[in-house]
This record gives sequence, structure tokens and C-alpha cells, in this order.
Amino acid sequence: DIQMTQSPSTLSASLGDRVTITCRASQSVAPWLAWYQQKPGKAPNLLIYKASSLESGVPSRFSASGSGTEFTLTISSLQPDDFATYYCQQYNSYSPTFGQGTKVEI
Amino acid sequence: QVQLVESGGGVVQPGRSLRLSCAASGFTFNNYAMHWVRQAPGKGLEWVAVISNDGSNKYYADSVKGRFTIFRDNSKNTLHLQMNSLRTEDTAVYYCARTVTTSAPGFFDYWGQGTLVTVSS
Repeated sequence: DIQMTQSPSTLSASLGDRVTITCRASQSVAPWLAWYQQKPGKAPNLLIYKASSLESGVPSRFSASGSGTEFTLTISSLQPDDFATYYCQQYNSYSPTFGQGTKVEI
Repeated sequence: QVQLVESGGGVVQPGRSLRLSCAASGFTFNNYAMHWVRQAPGKGLEWVAVISNDGSNKYYADSVKGRFTIFRDNSKNTLHLQMNSLRTEDTAVYYCARTVTTSAPGFFDYWGQGTLVTVSS
């Protein structure tokens, strides 16, 4: 299986901060990479697909990029609703895998 | 609007069986591959299984292969997961999720609210 590694595991930030989360794959998966936001007790919510395409309805402060094995998710100005856990997911194979998650906290 | 509603979770003893269901509405069910994804308490997301839009292709995570079976009833817009020989490590919230493909791997654009399965003696 393709292993996905996110960093950091936890990120402490303040309102208005620019934050970046990194996701690394054990082999090339580009551009088949998605990002999700999950809040406690809720299902994940799709933010980004195909490495950099913003899902409809997702605020433009979210952006993503990457190629090969390294990808980033950036929140340009952290808002109260953004404190959550973020996961990357590769779908380059019939066995999709997720990163371990990055918790963004105050 | 797209809705996925899981049911069937509960408390079950190790070695026993359980069947989960996911009722889909708001989209043409037989046009989409469907997945089960689980999340153990306090842990990350783990993909479990996928079934193609017509049910002809199925893939499983190694951790459940041979014990779990994914199947669907397109006439009833329902997805199922038959879980046999359950282990304590199968304890998790199980989500059904849709991908925007018929059988190829994909990202999950819609998720259900999840159903909790607890395997405990």
C-alpha cells in the first residue's frame, strides 16, 4: 500500500494566521490527491481534489498544490471555523490511503 | 440533495457477525462506486472496501479481506457491508462514502454520518 505521512501532527495557530500542512507519499501519486476537513463527531468534508482543485462551496482561503510525492494544503487566513483535523488521501491505487491527520488548534 | 444514511451498528462480541447498511438518495445510485471507510475512536481514517457501480468489482483492505463483504442493491439504492469474524480492532465508526467514478479509484465527495460498531466481550 502507498503510505501517506502528514506533518505536523498538531499545529497551534491564531486567527488570521497563514498555515501550511504537508503530505508526503511513499511513491508518486500525483495528481490523485485529496484533502478533507473533519470536526469532532462529524464525517470528513472534501476540500480539495486532484491535488489543487477546490471543491465547490469551499472558501477560497483554502488552496493546495503539489506534485510527485509532496503536497501542501494552505489556509491563507485562519478563521474560527477552520479549527479541525485535516487529512490527505491518495487515490492513485485501488487501495486508497489517508495520512494520519493534522489537528489545527488554537 | 445527496444523502447517505448508515445503519446497523451496535455492540457485538468478538467472532460474531454484523451487517451495516447505507441508504442512498438524491443521486443516481447505480452511476457511482461506493466505499466503506472506518475510523477507530480517536484515530485516523482507514479505507475498508469499494464496490463498482454495477457491483462487478470489489476491493478490500488487507485488514478485512476474507472477513468482510461489500455488496449493493441498486434496485433499492442501498449499500451493505457484511462483517464476519469480528475482532476488537474492528471497533470504529463506519462511514459509507461516494466516489465520482464508476469503478476507478477516486476521492470521496459525499459521506454518511457514520454508524458505530463496538466489538467487545
